[in-house]
Amino acid sequence: VQLVESGGGLVQPGGSLRLSCAASGFTFSSYWMHWVRQVPGEGLVWVSRINNDGSSTSYADSVKGRFTISRDNAKNTLYLQMNSLRAEDTAVYYCARDSNAHYGGGWGQGTLVTVSS
Amino acid sequence: QPVLTQSSSASASLGSSVKLTCTLSSGHSSYIIAWHQQQPGKAPRYLMKLEGSGSYNKGSGVPDRFSGSSSGADRYLTISNLQSEDEADYYCETWDSNTRVFGGGTRLAVL
Repeated sequence: VQLVESGGGLVQPGGSLRLSCAASGFTFSSYWMHWVRQVPGEGLVWVSRINNDGSSTSYADSVKGRFTISRDNAKNTLYLQMNSLRAEDTAVYYCARDSNAHYGGGWGQGTLVTVSS
Repeated sequence: QPVLTQSSSASASLGSSVKLTCTLSSGHSSYIIAWHQQQPGKAPRYLMKLEGSGSYNKGSGVPDRFSGSSSGADRYLTISNLQSEDEADYYCETWDSNTRVFGGGTRLAVL
């Protein structure tokens, strides 16, 4: 399982950012996928998930209405569109394969998002 | 929505064994969980999926020293023959149809 995130960086409050996660080493289109974030020094917090064909999504209350998860199975890529960003969205964002999958979960290396003026 | 409770810290000596606990909230004692390890400065690593029956499936490359067990609402991660590289944060995770939940994590010190 290889997951490589990109797209993080510094953005002003109210701004937008799109994260990408390139998957390889497994049949991407067969797996539910997630975004999980972690403020440095704190614990893991689930953000969003998408089912294997993209027809079903869910979000944590803290990001509902601002973040959108999507995927392109032809490109083996997971996305997170983040709008109306707030200082409290500052964190390392990880993409993760579903832990309930037949062959278990997996994690990317993370990408840092900093929301600051 | 389930809640997972973990002790904030644990410690054990090099070469010994340690058993970490993750407790499911009331009404969720049958839930499957997953254990993840996060070494300092690194991304998390999936260790295993653990059922209420005690049956577990480990991820690829996870050493035999790591095992899981269950009792009621408690889910355990046992690490035998502790190595220095086992010093890390350990998180449990569970899920329902729409959400995922993580425990607060246990920081393991290897003395």
